[in-house]
Amino acid sequence: GQSLEQPSEVTAVEGAIVQINCTYQTSGFYGLSWYQQHDGGAPTFLSYNALDGLEETGRFSSFLSRSDSYGYLLLQELQMKDSASYFCAVRDSGNQGGKLIFGQGTELSVKP
Amino acid sequence: DTEVTQTPKHLVMGMTNKKSLKCEQHMGHRAMYWYKQKAKKPPELMFVYSYEKLSINESVPSRFSPECPNSSLLNLHLHALQPEDSALYLCASSQEAAGSYEQYFGPGTRLTVT
Repeated sequence: GQSLEQPSEVTAVEGAIVQINCTYQTSGFYGLSWYQQHDGGAPTFLSYNALDGLEETGRFSSFLSRSDSYGYLLLQELQMKDSASYFCAVRDSGNQGGKLIFGQGTELSVKP
Repeated sequence: DTEVTQTPKHLVMGMTNKKSLKCEQHMGHRAMYWYKQKAKKPPELMFVYSYEKLSINESVPSRFSPECPNSSLLNLHLHALQPEDSALYLCASSQEAAGSYEQYFGPGTRLTVT
């Protein structure tokens, strides 16, 4: 089976930097995705890492270490609108290859 | 057009009703998904259609019946639901491979079963 672990809650202040970690256990690995979901909204794709290293997209960056089965999402210059749930996700590697497995989600609260 | 649309936005139904949820995308995506999401939980996969054929059914009760009339449309037919089926139902699509790391989600239908 496959499992992902991420913190349930993170709190930070506006303008700060926050890192949301995700560790995974998989029998095969294709890459790690991150999704953002505002309360009452739809999940929105943020980033994908297939190889080790840091991928930067504006204020958001995502990192992957395949050897450590670990990744993180880094949010810089936090804004109030970044308050949301963040999910890491991996693709199922078994015969259910059409399935994306989500972590339990991290609720980020940005305070003024 | 990078949008997945879903109707209705909200639905209240009794346990004896029959209703349908609709999803549409015009991005030419070949895989479409139904997810169920409870509050403070991740999306939970229900069904996957790949090239208009059902490729995954996550042991969903038969009171949920998916249908893919064409490559742009996905329906979820509901019958004799239970109160515990109340949730946000999300439709998603991806360009080619089912299980793609980049899925586009619709805004969801918030379903309440009374």
